[in-house]
Amino acid sequence: EAEVAQSPRYKITEKSQAVAFWCDPISGHATLYWYRQILGQGPELLVQFQDESVVDDSQLPKDRFSAERLKGVDSTLKIQPAELGDSAMYLCASSLDGRGHTDTQYFGPGTRLTVL
Amino acid sequence: QKEVEQDPGPLSVPEGAIVSLNCTYSNSAFQYFMWYRQYSRKGPELLMYTYSSGNKEDGRFTAQVDKSSKYISLFIRDSQPSDSATYLCAMSARNQFYFGTGTSLTVIP
Repeated sequence: EAEVAQSPRYKITEKSQAVAFWCDPISGHATLYWYRQILGQGPELLVQFQDESVVDDSQLPKDRFSAERLKGVDSTLKIQPAELGDSAMYLCASSLDGRGHTDTQYFGPGTRLTVL
Repeated sequence: QKEVEQDPGPLSVPEGAIVSLNCTYSNSAFQYFMWYRQYSRKGPELLMYTYSSGNKEDGRFTAQVDKSSKYISLFIRDSQPSDSATYLCAMSARNQFYFGTGTSLTVIP
């Protein structure tokens, strides 16, 4: 069964360091999402891509966070510099088509970030 | 008011019980309704999704959508200890997704 892949699964870093997360969506899925999930809360959307284009990054803290999906397939989310409050689970999800077909998301296993 | 409201629980039931999990929403544009199961420190796993009002059954799980009341439910029959997890409801319209905060469920053997 096709799955969303993410790496690394766990990341521990010190405050002010740079971190990067990678996501490979299900093959053929045009829409890719990055979420942040704090313990005890639902996922919060950071950025949404349709193919290689950003369609929603209104909740992305752009002073320190960046995301790219250069070829419209895999994606990287970067934080520089990391802050203590960035400790959370970072989830990637994909869906088949951003134009109204099969509006169902599939999630990867997540990257758990701890900032010391 | 949040787009999606979900009782966070925690909910604790004995093995074999019927579990009812619920969410309410305010946006009538929502078209797809999903339930995810999330085990501790794992990514959410899609459990069920529905497009319209009514019931959808899959094994021990039944998803129910009432668009007129803006209310969705997930029923788990014959609950098992392996069902212990956090259950997230989610809804979408035009490929934008909104999540509840999750309900923590523990099934006691």
